Amino acid sequence: GDSVTQMEGPVTLSEEAFLTINCTYTATGYPSLFWYVQYPGEGLQLLLKATKADDKGSNKGFEATYRKETTSFHLEKGSVQVSDSAVYFCALAGGTSYGKLTFGQGTILTVHP
Amino acid sequence: NAGVTQTPKFQVLKTGQSMTLQCAQDMNHEYMSWYRQDPGMGLRLIHYSVGAGITDQGEVPNGYNVSRSTTEDFPLRLLSAAPSQTSVYFCASTPTLTSTDTQYFGPGTRLTVL
Repeated sequence: GDSVTQMEGPVTLSEEAFLTINCTYTATGYPSLFWYVQYPGEGLQLLLKATKADDKGSNKGFEATYRKETTSFHLEKGSVQVSDSAVYFCALAGGTSYGKLTFGQGTILTVHP
Repeated sequence: NAGVTQTPKFQVLKTGQSMTLQCAQDMNHEYMSWYRQDPGMGLRLIHYSVGAGITDQGEVPNGYNVSRSTTEDFPLRLLSAAPSQTSVYFCASTPTLTSTDTQYFGPGTRLTVL
């Protein structure tokens, strides 16, 4: 079945540092890939998405590129802020999944001033 | 639009008690789903609905029931709560049934079963 694997956390960075959170996936067909973010005490919200190979999703300075050859969708940001502290989830929805999401385990990011 | 709303925000139950977690959306979305979030395991799909009157099981359905009598509401019922159901529960909706759509999540219900 479909699966998503995220890098082990938690991740602790200083403000303005470069961020990478690795995500790889296993799926049949051509899934859509997502990054969702969960700020403390809140529900999940979409950060960015890519729906076909080589697409780049971007939002709020975050980027991720859909790499079919390496089955990856790594999240990057050039300069993190304290307000980026949150839990980040990589997820996929398969071509016949009727919108059902398969999530990675989540990565806790803490950014210090 | 209120988006996706969930009640209650917090709940403590004793083993064997029953309760219903409420979920409503005002975006006229066809697809609704329930997930549970446990540490180190991401979110796992419990049940989902592709429209009023149609529901199906997800990855971890045991111990939970759902129904979908209207487009707006999708309650989750725990028939006999167990400590293993201690978790944070999220309801989500999406406008269509295609895999490219964004899902919209509610704020969650934190449930503790003693």
